[in-house]
This record gives sequence, structure tokens and C-alpha cells, in this order.
Amino acid sequence: NSKVIQTPRYLVKGQGQKAKMRCIPEKGHPVVFWYQQNKNNEFKFLINFQNQEVLQQIDMTEKRFSAECPSNSPCSLEIQSSEAGDSALYLCASSLGTGRGQNTLYFGAGTRLSVL
Amino acid sequence: GDSVTQTEGLVTLTKGLPVMLNCTYQTTYSPFLFWYVQHLNEAPKLLLKSSTDNKRTEHQGFYATLHKSSSSFHLQKSSVQLSDSALYFCALRTGGYKVVFGSGTRLLVSP
Repeated sequence: NSKVIQTPRYLVKGQGQKAKMRCIPEKGHPVVFWYQQNKNNEFKFLINFQNQEVLQQIDMTEKRFSAECPSNSPCSLEIQSSEAGDSALYLCASSLGTGRGQNTLYFGAGTRLSVL
Repeated sequence: GDSVTQTEGLVTLTKGLPVMLNCTYQTTYSPFLFWYVQHLNEAPKLLLKSSTDNKRTEHQGFYATLHKSSSSFHLQKSSVQLSDSALYFCALRTGGYKVVFGSGTRLLVSP
């Protein structure tokens, strides 16, 4: 079973509402990724962190999406004003690092967001 | 930029037959390749990861070999089972923090 814990499993929001989801990475993993998996099962990278610092994020994330990974608290991804096109499975993944032997991503089961 | 190509969107097979799912990649950096399997409503799980060039890696009956000469990391199994029905993703990590996924291949195994 996955050791990356994501909550909630399902989230239903109306257009314009905020949507917030959380992720507890695998213990000892300082690198956290968020991906959006659409209905065609394609992965879209959103943002990643090392400890509390943002490493990379895409333009979409910079505008309506916000994310953080505070110390001693779950990481979170929040959509400020949900749109129908945001309906997707949001996957969180963590890894030990980037070098050989540390660069495997371990995924949570995801939060399935439906925007009505 | 870096990219991963999975040419088959859907592969349907009868159990007991062999399978090969294609994965090719493009990068100018040293590649690490992964295969993930995702069953319905479950987290993607690591199936295999690449070793050194031309070395085969195996897990749970699946195997793959990184061939840098052809930029490939095809996934194979000699005899598929019903439980192998799932989505399979090939992923490329080039060091640093970038991970690129292919579009996925759905494998359907029938009795």
C-alpha cells in the first residue's frame, strides 16, 4: 500500500469555489510533486517542492493554484476559483532526492476533484 | 525538451500470451527510466526502473532493458495474467527535479 497519504479521496465543488487537497509524503522524503491526471489519463506537472521551497511550477499553478509544504504539516494544493476544466485526479508523489537510488517517485492514491 | 512516447494507447491480449509495451524517450541528459502501473482507483505504483545501459531489470515477471542507442525502455512480459489489466506509464527523470510521463498504455487481458 502507498505510504503517501492524500486527503480527501473525493472532492466536489461548484465553479468559482475554492478546492483544497492535502498530501502527507512518505516519511523522510523531502521532495514532493503534484500532478494533475486528466480524463485521458495524461499526467500534467503542476509544482514540486524540496522541503518547504518551491523548485518548479507551471504558469497555471502560478495564477489560480497555490501550494505549500510547511514543516511538520501536510503539503497542500489549493485551487482558488475552481473551473470545470480543473476536474481531474490530483496526484501527489514524493521521493528521497534526485540521484540514482533516490529518484523514484512514490504516489498517493490521489484526490478526485469534480467541479460542477 | 525532454519527452516520452508510448505509441500504443490500448493493447488487448488473451491471458498467457506475451506482451511488449513500447517506450521511447528524448533527452540530452543522462536518463533514468521508470515503468509505473496504475490499477483502477489506485495510486500509480513503481513496477521497474532502469539500470545501466543494456542491462535488463525485472520485477513481478515484467522486464525491461534500457537501450541508450535507440532511446528505448520497452516493457515486456512472457505470459500476461488477468490481474495485469491496468494502465502502464513510462516516465523519464533526467536528474534534477524534472519527471516526464508518457501518455500511458491501457492493457486489457481477457480470459
